[in-house]
Amino acid sequence: AQTVTQSQPEMSVQEAETVTLSCTYDTSESDYYLFWYKQPPSRQMILVIRQEAYKQQNATENRFSVNFQKAAKSFSLKISDSQLGDAAMYFCASMGPISSGSARQLTFGSGTQLTVLP
Amino acid sequence: DGGITQSPKYLFRKEGQNVTLSCEQNLNHDAMYWYRQDPGQGLRLIYYSQIVNDFQKGDIAEGYSVSREKKESFPLTVTSAQKNPTAFYLCASSIPLAGGMGTQYFGPGTRLLVL
Repeated sequence: AQTVTQSQPEMSVQEAETVTLSCTYDTSESDYYLFWYKQPPSRQMILVIRQEAYKQQNATENRFSVNFQKAAKSFSLKISDSQLGDAAMYFCASMGPISSGSARQLTFGSGTQLTVLP
Repeated sequence: DGGITQSPKYLFRKEGQNVTLSCEQNLNHDAMYWYRQDPGQGLRLIYYSQIVNDFQKGDIAEGYSVSREKKESFPLTVTSAQKNPTAFYLCASSIPLAGGMGTQYFGPGTRLLVL
């Protein structure tokens, strides 16, 4: 079974500044996938960024990047040049390989509420 | 536009009543999922389906039922056996590529309240 832990229930950042959200996970799999989803007040889950565990290079998507530390089982999200529209609940999630029997089940952390201050 | 639709946006259930939440996708995805979200918590998997006419229980399937008669549709029924159904329900779909990432994309959700 996989577990995902987000130890920061709330974070805040000044507009245009950089913020890092923490995530740790636990898995016995050697092959797995990690995701960050964003849930704004509309409550729709929106994919922010994803990372394959076998890739050493950290994923980036415009202002969003991750710091993937496989040995430490850490997967933090960095948001650069924060914008008011970035304010949301951010969820870290993991998924095992299809061979694991988890059949693509996502395991979510409890979320970090990000506030962007003008 | 391709996407996932869920209806209704809000649903009210009386005690002892079964209610059905709709989820439709036109992304041609094979796999579909139902998650439950309680206040201040992450999502928990209720049921998932990899192909038509097949589905599997997730972590919290008790009190729920599903069907998958069409690729595009994966309705969720909240039965009277579910004693605490008040929650936000999210449907997702993905292409379950063998060895691939199988990224899940989500619908807008249904808020279920008990009267």
